[in-house]
Amino acid sequence: DGGITQSPKYLFRKEGQNVTLSCEQNLNHDAMYWYRQDPGQGLRLIYYSQIVNDFQKGDIAEGYSVSREKKESFPLTVTSAQKNPTAFYLCASSIVTDVTGELFFGEGSRLTVL
Amino acid sequence: DAKTTQPPSMDCAEGRAANLPCNHSTISGNEYVYWYRQIHSQGPQYIIHGLKNNETNEMASLIITEDRKSSTLILPHATLRDTAVYYCIVRANAGGTSYGKLTFGQGTILTVHP
Repeated sequence: DGGITQSPKYLFRKEGQNVTLSCEQNLNHDAMYWYRQDPGQGLRLIYYSQIVNDFQKGDIAEGYSVSREKKESFPLTVTSAQKNPTAFYLCASSIVTDVTGELFFGEGSRLTVL
Repeated sequence: DAKTTQPPSMDCAEGRAANLPCNHSTISGNEYVYWYRQIHSQGPQYIIHGLKNNETNEMASLIITEDRKSSTLILPHATLRDTAVYYCIVRANAGGTSYGKLTFGQGTILTVHP
């Protein structure tokens, strides 16, 4: 079945450590996105990518980095520069030329900094 | 993208219709209305979208006022599994070179009770 797979589902990290969240999709979608969600809040866009080897900062990119070496993969690194990294992270994908603009989301990764 | 306003929470009895309102008074002519929902600790799920005509699919109906300044999402026969946060989003068409970026506000927490 086609879909988006995020891993790990839960992750704990100590302060000062970098951590990488995985996002893989087999939907053949061009665009991929990373969102952050804090308790009781909506989603905020971190980074997005329309095409391989290209990505753009979203609204809250500071302290995060991404890469898009393959169409299927869009990993997110939460660096030690991110001041408050504990959150629920969601990866999504879409077809760029699809007029509906529908986003397909993964199940999320919950990061807790100890 | 136009800003949306939704009530923070609503209740609905199981089997009854759930009517979720959304105000988007600054919507422009090329902006669509999208609805997503998010069940606790999962990724958001697309429900429906529309431009100016009313729309219906297997999940819900979308009623957009003639002046397009507000809309209502209707779940015709709510079930306990429809308990979720419902997001109303307004955004220009994602076709062509546009990114499918969506701005998620805090949404409406719909609680369906027996």
